[in-house]
Amino acid sequence: EPEVTQTPSHQVTQMGQEVILRCVPISNHLYFYWYRQILGQKVEFLVSFYNNEISEKSEIFDDQFSVERPDGSNFTLKIRSTKLEDSAMYFCASRRPGEGFANYGYTFGSGTRLTVV
Amino acid sequence: GQQLNQSPQSMFIQEGEDVSMNCTSSSIFNTWLWYKQDPGEGPVLLIALYKAGELTSNGRLTAQFGITRKDSFLNISASIPSDVGIYFCAGQRNKLVFGAGTILRVKS
Repeated sequence: EPEVTQTPSHQVTQMGQEVILRCVPISNHLYFYWYRQILGQKVEFLVSFYNNEISEKSEIFDDQFSVERPDGSNFTLKIRSTKLEDSAMYFCASRRPGEGFANYGYTFGSGTRLTVV
Repeated sequence: GQQLNQSPQSMFIQEGEDVSMNCTSSSIFNTWLWYKQDPGEGPVLLIALYKAGELTSNGRLTAQFGITRKDSFLNISASIPSDVGIYFCAGQRNKLVFGAGTILRVKS
């Protein structure tokens, strides 16, 4: 079964530092997403990416956040100057549009737990 | 913004019992999805619903997409210990909007 791979699984960083979270989406997927889940809360949409550009972003995704697809396989989320409240699980997801249960649903990675101290 | 109201927040049931949870929204969605999340893992898709009124099963799971496209339910029949986890509904238009989750605990 194809997987979305995220690295690292855990990241501890000091407040104010930059972090880059990495994702390798499923190879034939076209839509890429980052979601965030603060401990004990629901999963929240951050940004969607299609055709090498951001297609939608939430209010959470402010100027300190950026995404890139630097090559054909990686999809990264950069947080420029981390704050304590950025501590959360960050999930990457990818999707291939199409009919049918197996093809339409999003596939989520296992997440990166970011702790800002 | 788009909000989903998921209930109940948590359930503690006996093994073998049936479980029902639901989501409602003031917004219309094109697709409803149900996910299960185990601790430290990402959400895993259980069932996807594409058409209003659609009733879909996946093993012991049954889900329906409400006629108004503003609600959905998930039923789990004959629960077993490995059903433990957090279940999220999600509605989709361009992006996924998640409910707050239902924590399911099963007593064996």
